[in-house]
Amino acid sequence: DIQMTQSPSTLSASVGDRVTITCRASQSISSWLAWYQQKPGKAPKLLIYKASSLESGVPSRFSGSGSGTEFTLTISSLQPDDFATYYCQQYNSYFLTFGGGTKVEIK
Amino acid sequence: EVQLVESGGGLVQPGGSLRLSCAASGFTFSSYWMSWVRQAPGKGLEWVANIKQDGSEKYYVDSVKGRFTISRDNAKNSLYLQMNSLRAEDTAVYYCARFSSSQGYWGQGTLVTVSS
Repeated sequence: DIQMTQSPSTLSASVGDRVTITCRASQSISSWLAWYQQKPGKAPKLLIYKASSLESGVPSRFSGSGSGTEFTLTISSLQPDDFATYYCQQYNSYFLTFGGGTKVEIK
Repeated sequence: EVQLVESGGGLVQPGGSLRLSCAASGFTFSSYWMSWVRQAPGKGLEWVANIKQDGSEKYYVDSVKGRFTISRDNAKNSLYLQMNSLRAEDTAVYYCARFSSSQGYWGQGTLVTVSS
């Protein structure tokens, strides 16, 4: 199975900061990677698909990049609504896998 | 509008069984792979199983193989997860989800608690 390693697990940042989260796959997944945002008690929300495509309605401060085994999610200017947990997910294989998550906290 | 609504969660004793259902609407259910994903309290997301459009292919995470069965009824626009031999570590919110190359839809989740 494809393992997804996400880092950091926790990130403390301030409003206005540029934030970068990294996801590494144990083998190449081409660009079959999604990023989700999850808030407590809620279902995950899709932000990015195919590694770099922005989901409709998602603010442009979110961006994704990478291919193969290395991927990043960047928030260009952190907003109060962005404090949440973020997950990467690979869908290159029928056996889907998620990263362990990155909690973005207020500094 | 795509809607996925789970039901069937609850409290069950270790070794017991439970059947989860997911009612789908707002899209042609029979045209999509469907999945179950779970999240244990305070933990991350774990994919559980998925099923092909016609039910001919099914895949499971190793920890539930032989205990859980995913199925679907395209006439009823419904997805199911039969969970047998439940363990404490199966305690989680279970989400029904539809993933494709450019989309990711989730239900609101249903809580399964395995405890004596």
